[in-house]
Amino acid sequence: GENVEQHPSTLSVQEGDSAVIKCTYSDSASNYFPWYKQELGKGPQLIIDIRSNVGEKKDQRIAVTLNKTAKHFSLHITETQPEDSAVYFCAASIGQNYGQNFVFGPGTRLSVLP
Amino acid sequence: KAGVTQTPRYLIKTRGQQVTLSCSPISGHRSVSWYQQTPGQGLQFLFEYFSETQRNKGNFPGRFSGRQFSNSRSEMNVSTLELGDSALYLCASSLGQGTTQYFGPGTRLLVL
Repeated sequence: GENVEQHPSTLSVQEGDSAVIKCTYSDSASNYFPWYKQELGKGPQLIIDIRSNVGEKKDQRIAVTLNKTAKHFSLHITETQPEDSAVYFCAASIGQNYGQNFVFGPGTRLSVLP
Repeated sequence: KAGVTQTPRYLIKTRGQQVTLSCSPISGHRSVSWYQQTPGQGLQFLFEYFSETQRNKGNFPGRFSGRQFSNSRSEMNVSTLELGDSALYLCASSLGQGTTQYFGPGTRLLVL
């Protein structure tokens, strides 16, 4: 079945620096890759997503890139701020004819130091 | 538009009991998925319902079950609770296949 790996597990950056989180997936049929941010005591919140027919997507300080050949996708956060500190999860859709089923990476705890 | 709501937010149960958790999706969303989140196993998919039918199921024992009502609200039930069932149970709703999932705040279950 689908397996999603995520690195690094923890990441500390200085405020204003960039942060990059990388994920790899195994199922070549996966075609939708969302990224979620989870703050303490809250459910995951979607921050950006990308579909397999697109190589890159950007939303202000956040960007995601996808390499379907290599089966990896990355989250890029520029000009980090203390409020970016949270756990970030990547996910990959499981290739099926129907249904809404995702496999999540183990998460990256990002700390932005002021 | 109101987000996904889950009730209750916190629960304490003892081993052997059963529990029912509730999820109200975003208005218009017909797909509801349930996940278990633990520090050790991360986010794991339990099952997904669409138009009152279970479409997908994760690798969990039969003690975990769910259902969806005609108004898309969903419940999940865990019978014969075990200590290892202590977790944050998250519900996510979406319009359907291949669309964005939006998560609720979760129900934190503690089994003593």
